[in-house]
Amino acid sequence: NAGVTQTPKFQVLKTGQSMTLQCAQDMNHEYMSWYRQDPGMGLRLIHYSVGAGITDQGEVPNGYNVSRSTTEDFPLRLLSAAPSQTSVYFCASSYWGQSYGYTFGSGTRLTVV
Amino acid sequence: AQKVTQAQTEISVVEKEDVTLDCVYETRDTTYYLFWYKQPPSGELVFLIRRNSFDEQNEISGRYSWNFQKSTSSFNFTITASQVVDSAVYFCALSGEANFGNEKLTFGTGTRLTIIP
Repeated sequence: NAGVTQTPKFQVLKTGQSMTLQCAQDMNHEYMSWYRQDPGMGLRLIHYSVGAGITDQGEVPNGYNVSRSTTEDFPLRLLSAAPSQTSVYFCASSYWGQSYGYTFGSGTRLTVV
Repeated sequence: AQKVTQAQTEISVVEKEDVTLDCVYETRDTTYYLFWYKQPPSGELVFLIRRNSFDEQNEISGRYSWNFQKSTSSFNFTITASQVVDSAVYFCALSGEANFGNEKLTFGTGTRLTIIP
């Protein structure tokens, strides 16, 4: 049981490049989300999904796209990377409802130069 | 809107001392959930505890204890007899009742705890 798997763990992009951060979970969780962590700001929600085909914006969605074609996968796309997107990105998943809490991936450290 | 405040940015204590990390929250939901996560230097987020708004009983788990007080909207975390391995950033978080959008976690800015040997 792998839990939440994020790839890659590290990435360096040039300004304007695009890339996709992958997130997969094998726990059949309905709810998945992406957060970014910046120094002194805690974790902020980018996008979330309550099930396949359903996504919505979080607190800081600009510059990011998501889709949820399957229950297992929730990729985060940066269409044109900017230095302001340098951050550590975490994917999290949970069952519907709050009885079980969230499971987080190990994070992706992204640097945009 | 939900908000979590961790006013202590950094705390340093000598090993074996007790330390309390403060968390104050704001929400208009009647049903909500509070969490604490630990982020050690390796970077992963480790779940510590979940508490729902209807359960105000304090909880103790080994050297860790949590004090939930709805009257002051606080959910404080105490480490007794601290150890070097407790050095980490600790996050308090809040979510609403499971509903479209309400289940998302709102995090505090974290408290960096350093235990001095």
